[in-house]
Amino acid sequence: DAGVIQSPRHEVTEMGQEVTLRCKPISGHNSLFWYRQTMMRGLELLIYFNNNVPIDDSGMPEDRFSAKMPNASFSTLKIQPSEPRDSAVYFCASSLDSLGQAWDTEAFFGQGTRLTVV
Amino acid sequence: GIQVEQSPPDLILQEGANSTLRCNFSDSVNNLQWFHQNPWGQLINLFYIPSGTKQNGRLSATTVATERYSLLYISSSQTTDSGVYFCAVGGNNNDMRFGAGTRLTVKP
Repeated sequence: DAGVIQSPRHEVTEMGQEVTLRCKPISGHNSLFWYRQTMMRGLELLIYFNNNVPIDDSGMPEDRFSAKMPNASFSTLKIQPSEPRDSAVYFCASSLDSLGQAWDTEAFFGQGTRLTVV
Repeated sequence: GIQVEQSPPDLILQEGANSTLRCNFSDSVNNLQWFHQNPWGQLINLFYIPSGTKQNGRLSATTVATERYSLLYISSSQTTDSGVYFCAVGGNNNDMRFGAGTRLTVKP
């Protein structure tokens, strides 16, 4: 199993540009979580999906952030326009949910995308 | 939402020493998982342990859900154990919320 795959691994962009981060969950997993990690705020849950449906996006910091999961194999997190304060490591995680509860088994993380907005 | 507190925030050990890391949470949980973030930033699964006790080599974990805490034990620590240890919990809405972590440094 290839694990959770995130791309790109590193992204450097200029303020005001659109940024798209990508995540491929583990095959067969039906829950997907997006996190942002910074020194100041730690690991923050941004949004999570269950069976491709967004369950809770209350962690998305601003309207500049949006996330989609068009199918079970792919999710994107988009920032438009990007700002320097969006610089962080963004993680995606997936798990297999068998009880309709988003997270009820072991979750696995991707290697993260380090975003730098200059 | 559920509040997660980890202690101690920082821990420095000599190689070979034992340690106990604690995770307290403010409400009943359905899920709990321990992770190790290595110096390269990777989040490594240690235990999925919403209740009970598990062991894996030098590491073990215990969750007492009724008393709202979990413990991670590291025995005979090695320099490769260095990094940040996170506890993540999920309540009734089954999201996954992280504590601030315990930064462990093991000196040779």
